[in-house]
Amino acid sequence: DQQVKQNSPSLSVQEGRISILNCDYTNSMFDYFLWYKKYPAEGPTFLISISSIKDKNEDGRFTVFLNKSAKHLSLHIVPSQPGDSAVYFCAARTSGAGSYQLTFGKGTKLSVIP
Amino acid sequence: DAGVTQSPTHLIKTRGQQVTLRCSPISGHKSVSWYQQVLGQGPQFIFQYYEKEERGRGNFPDRFSARQFPNYSSELNVNALLLGDSALYLCASSSEIFRDDYGYTFGSGTRLTVV
Repeated sequence: DQQVKQNSPSLSVQEGRISILNCDYTNSMFDYFLWYKKYPAEGPTFLISISSIKDKNEDGRFTVFLNKSAKHLSLHIVPSQPGDSAVYFCAARTSGAGSYQLTFGKGTKLSVIP
Repeated sequence: DAGVTQSPTHLIKTRGQQVTLRCSPISGHKSVSWYQQVLGQGPQFIFQYYEKEERGRGNFPDRFSARQFPNYSSELNVNALLLGDSALYLCASSSEIFRDDYGYTFGSGTRLTVV
């Protein structure tokens, strides 16, 4: 059973427009959410995070929104740039017994068209 | 500063063999975690080590084991390899057991192919 779901395997957006990547989760014990970006042949790179006690976090062109009642979060990229083309992973943190682990979605491949 | 370094980059093993993957965290980072990423899936948690102690283990069989050394580097061992173990193995490090501002820094991974 997938606890973190990214239902769109791919997304194409025109350069300069907004990219919206979505993520749904089922586990109410997740207390932190992160977005990572991954280029081919590289490891995931941290993008932005949000605590479960907040509903929005912004960093430059990137904004993450969290709707706890709907168990849904989204990543907004404005304006989108060709260099943003990558696979984006949503990840959720569980903590307990002195350990922290991330549960990842399957990823969404974003293509920004010049 | 050097990032998280993993070795080897790629390797091919035969079913039933054993493999050891290595990870050097960023200097000063005491937490090392291992993740397995199968093609088409997101990374899946295998182990977390912090200050040389195992802090967490994911849902993986006992064929998987790991350790962390006094210099905070880490090894992941997989015994009796199966075809399904073919994956990208990612190492992630952090200065604390978890950093709210960046979570973990990942290496580029070791691509293991089991034939």
